[in-house]
Amino acid sequence: DTAVSQTPKYLVTQMGNDKSIKCEQNLGHDTMYWYKQDSKKFLKIMFSYNNKELIINETVPNRFSPKSPDKAHLNLHINSLELGDSAVYFCASSQRGGREETQYFGPGTRLLVL
Amino acid sequence: GQSLEQPSEVTAVEGAIVQINCTYQTSGFYGLSWYQQHDGGAPTFLSYNALDGLEETGRFSSFLSRSDSYGYLLLQELQMKDSASYFCAVIGEDSSYKLIFGSGTRLLVRP
Repeated sequence: DTAVSQTPKYLVTQMGNDKSIKCEQNLGHDTMYWYKQDSKKFLKIMFSYNNKELIINETVPNRFSPKSPDKAHLNLHINSLELGDSAVYFCASSQRGGREETQYFGPGTRLLVL
Repeated sequence: GQSLEQPSEVTAVEGAIVQINCTYQTSGFYGLSWYQQHDGGAPTFLSYNALDGLEETGRFSSFLSRSDSYGYLLLQELQMKDSASYFCAVIGEDSSYKLIFGSGTRLLVRP
């Protein structure tokens, strides 16, 4: 059973398009996250939701909009895609968002903007 | 602000021992985590140290010195499959508990 799943795994699109990435976790966790990993492998938090409520919103362009329909799902919608958005996007979850908790990562979505 | 420093790359021979260091700067510190990421894969949790000392989990150990703002990951009896990137991470100093990652250390294990 996949704990944290993301779709699609690969996404190739043109500049200016709008795209969505979906994430689901079946671990029963309360907290979910979106991270961006750039070409230099630098991993940076973008958003976090706890029980469908936004708790972290880093300095991310407002073209990025997360949506959590329920605590098992956290989707990421990106408007007007730019070349610099090309990266790997990881979804993750943890039980309650506590300090000592392990975060479980999904397989990643490799986004390439042409 | 918060920052973490790790070496960018380490090379070691199969069967050897390697230590990956991490120094951090943060005003509020709760603990140091280590994650492993193989090429094309997802980060996976290895260890967490909240208190000073050494934590051992099989071939991997992690050490923390809070007074020195320093930790390391020790990998023993290296295997080819240990070739991966290793990230240290701290919890954010605000109340949101987000993970702040170091830039990662790429470990290459040679035969």
